[in-house]
Amino acid sequence: QKEVEQDPGPLSVPEGAIVSLNCTYSNSAFQYFMWYRQYSRKGPELLMYTYSSGNKEDGRFTAQVDKSSKYISLFIRDSQPSDSATYLCAMWGGSNYKLTFGKGTLLTVNP
Amino acid sequence: DVKVTQSSRYLVKRTGEKVFLECVQDMDHENMFWYRQDPGLGLRLIYFSYDVKMKEKGDIPEGYSVSREKKERFSLILESASTNQTSMYLCASRDYDQPQHFGDGTRLSIL
Repeated sequence: QKEVEQDPGPLSVPEGAIVSLNCTYSNSAFQYFMWYRQYSRKGPELLMYTYSSGNKEDGRFTAQVDKSSKYISLFIRDSQPSDSATYLCAMWGGSNYKLTFGKGTLLTVNP
Repeated sequence: DVKVTQSSRYLVKRTGEKVFLECVQDMDHENMFWYRQDPGLGLRLIYFSYDVKMKEKGDIPEGYSVSREKKERFSLILESASTNQTSMYLCASRDYDQPQHFGDGTRLSIL
């Protein structure tokens, strides 16, 4: 079983839709969870950062962590064409410095 | 805002050449990382440095070396470039127990 599983998509939605992106993981030592957004030909940009279980909201974005189910989500409300990008989940924990990434989900928001 | 700067956005080299990729961060971060990103394989860690002159191998160090003579600068060296090292190379830095911040990447082609 891979440490982090993320559906690669592609996911195509109309402008204004609510988008749900998800990752599952197997390592119970993970405590820090991140979502990165990567535009084509650019580096990943940190979008959301959460520690342990719960929700965190930032504008149109909400990150959710359920450690009991080993499941994290990113919700995008009122999606815009400018949200079109690849979204990467990432996580680390314990004494390990190393980030473990999902493979990324390609999202297209159509005007 | 954290600024991670990679010296070249695009680079074309020939097989057998020694190639240097440079990365500079402006936030006095202790840790710096080099990744490569390939379609279908995601981000893979090549090397990590946790302090000046200190380094650790990541998941795929073969064919690469690194140098960190100053805290703000982390260099990736391809000792003898090969075509299978054609990839997008990403540098990242972080403060202790904080998320990683990425540069915009260097798209390297080896002919």
